[in-house]
Parts: sequence; C-alpha cells; structure tokens
Amino acid sequence: DVKVTQSSRYLVKRTGEKVFLECVQDMDHENMFWYRQDPGLGLRLIYFSYDVKMKEKGDIPEGYSVSREKKERFSLILESASTNQTSMYLCASSFSGDNSPLHFGNGTRLTVT
Amino acid sequence: GQNIDQPTEMTATEGAIVQINCTYQTSGFNGLFWYQQHAGEAPTFLSYNVLDGLEEKGRFSSFLSRSKGYSYLLLKELQMKDSASYLCAVLDSNYQLIWGAGTKLIIKP
Repeated sequence: DVKVTQSSRYLVKRTGEKVFLECVQDMDHENMFWYRQDPGLGLRLIYFSYDVKMKEKGDIPEGYSVSREKKERFSLILESASTNQTSMYLCASSFSGDNSPLHFGNGTRLTVT
Repeated sequence: GQNIDQPTEMTATEGAIVQINCTYQTSGFNGLFWYQQHAGEAPTFLSYNVLDGLEEKGRFSSFLSRSKGYSYLLLKELQMKDSASYLCAVLDSNYQLIWGAGTKLIIKP
C-alpha cells in the first residue's frame, strides 16, 4: 500500500514564524503536490514537483515555497506565517502519467495565531 | 473561468441508493476523478472516467457524459461507513486537476 506521511497532524504557530511542513512517500512516485483545503472550497494547489529539485507554482503559491532535495520528500515552507494561512494542508503523490490517481497524506491542520 | 459544481450536502438512508452529481465547465477535458474523504482523513481514489458511459466497481459506479459536462457517482446498498465527503475533480487541457468543493453525504439508519 502506498503511504504518504505528513510529519505533523496539528500545528499551532504564531504570526511571522517560519513553518516547515514535511511530506514523505514510500512508493517511488515521481510527482508530489501540496494542497490546502478550506471549508466550502475545492482543493487548491499550492506547488507541485515532477522530479527532484524541480518545482512548479500552482494556483496559490504566494507566501509559500517548497523544496524537493530527494525523490521521496517534498517540503512546504511558510516563510512568515500569517493568519490567512490557517488551513488544512494536504500532501499528495502519484506516478507520472496523466491519469495516475493521487495518494494523499492525512493532512496537517495548521493554526496561525 | 473553470468551474466544478457539486451539491454541498446530501442525506440518504442506510440500504438505499444515492446519486451524487458533478457538472463541470473547464478548458478542455482529459478525464474525471472521484475521491472519498472521511472526516479528518485523507481523500482516497474511487474512480476515473475519460470515456462516456458507466463504470461499475462493486457498490460504487461512476458515469460520464462529456457532451453534457456531467458526471455522477452512484452508491448502492448504502452503509453507515459511506458517510463521507465525495470530491469530483477534472483534468483540464493542461492536465491540471480542477476540484469541486465536495459533497458531504450523511447516511441515516
């Protein structure tokens, strides 16, 4: 079974802090994604990566950056957390191939106070 | 703009059948996915349709009409564990996934 593991289930951070969200997958997937999920909205793509050291902006990259130094690990960084970044963050991975389904982690619920 | 519409919430009875609709307006179409998400858990893949018609997978079936920009997920013999949100997502012409807001399905005994 594919496993996508996110390092934290819940995080509480203060405004202005630098926040790291880590994601690791164990199925040798090429593609990795970071989404945020807010009530009443569809999943919104923040950043994605199709290969090591490669990153592409999604729909809402402002205020975020990412790092993919190893194939299995994709990190999301909030350089200076703000209250409007309070959300559920979901990491996902998939094989390359346009119709490959996404495998999601259980999510990190981040609260910025 | 691109848009995926799903009902926000539906209620059904254990043992019954429910149909969750999804309509889409996207720039191009390269397939439609359905995912299930239990409260507090990760979304999990249910189905993928790229050709018109019905795909059956046990108690769950998914239908697609590309000409109408329409899909539905059909759940039969509902069980309490089917209480979850169901997410519809379309692959557009750039192979980017466009997500609906999800339909929360409540199953009553």
